[in-house]
Amino acid sequence: GIQVEQSPPDLILQEGANSTLRCNFSDSVNNLQWFHQNPWGQLINLFYIPSGTKQNGRLSATTVATERYSLLYISSSQTTDSGVYFCAVDGWGSGYSTLTFGKGTMLLVSP
Amino acid sequence: NAGVTQTPKFQVLKTGQSMTLQCAQDMNHNSMYWYRQDPGMGLRLIYYSASEGTTDKGEVPNGYNVSRLNKREFSLRLESAAPSQTSVYFCASSGADNSPLHFGNGTRLTVT
Repeated sequence: GIQVEQSPPDLILQEGANSTLRCNFSDSVNNLQWFHQNPWGQLINLFYIPSGTKQNGRLSATTVATERYSLLYISSSQTTDSGVYFCAVDGWGSGYSTLTFGKGTMLLVSP
Repeated sequence: NAGVTQTPKFQVLKTGQSMTLQCAQDMNHNSMYWYRQDPGMGLRLIYYSASEGTTDKGEVPNGYNVSRLNKREFSLRLESAAPSQTSVYFCASSGADNSPLHFGNGTRLTVT
């Protein structure tokens, strides 16, 4: 099956800093999503982005499908951005769409 | 609009006991999923239901059964719980193939 690798595994930032999280995948994808798991365990969908660029407030994401990676940018980070960020993908030709998750990037934003 | 609702939030079982985790969505989604989350492992798919009346195995189906009761509800059953099934279980739904996935708040299960 498709492999998903996220980096870095952990990241510590001061409030106000910017960061870039990376997701590499091993095959062509027809579905890629980014999620945020907050410290209370809730999983929130941030972006559905199999290709191209999207922005939502301080967050933006870019997927370069031909080079098999996606980036999540967090600008002017806030303490509420803390948590784990997951990338999940589904490859072409895998049958019905079911997402494979990476192991996540744990982000801690300190005041 | 509650989204995806899971019950219970917490459960402790003894080895060999059975239980059913309930999940319901009010977004009129066709597809529903059960994932488990273990430390350092990310989320792994247990079972999914592409549409009402169909269910399929995911990556880690052993020890579980599912029922798609109707379009809204998708339950996960542990017939004989084992300590290896200690995990956080998430139900999710999506409207169609390749559309955003929405998660419930999870069930934390401990098997002693």
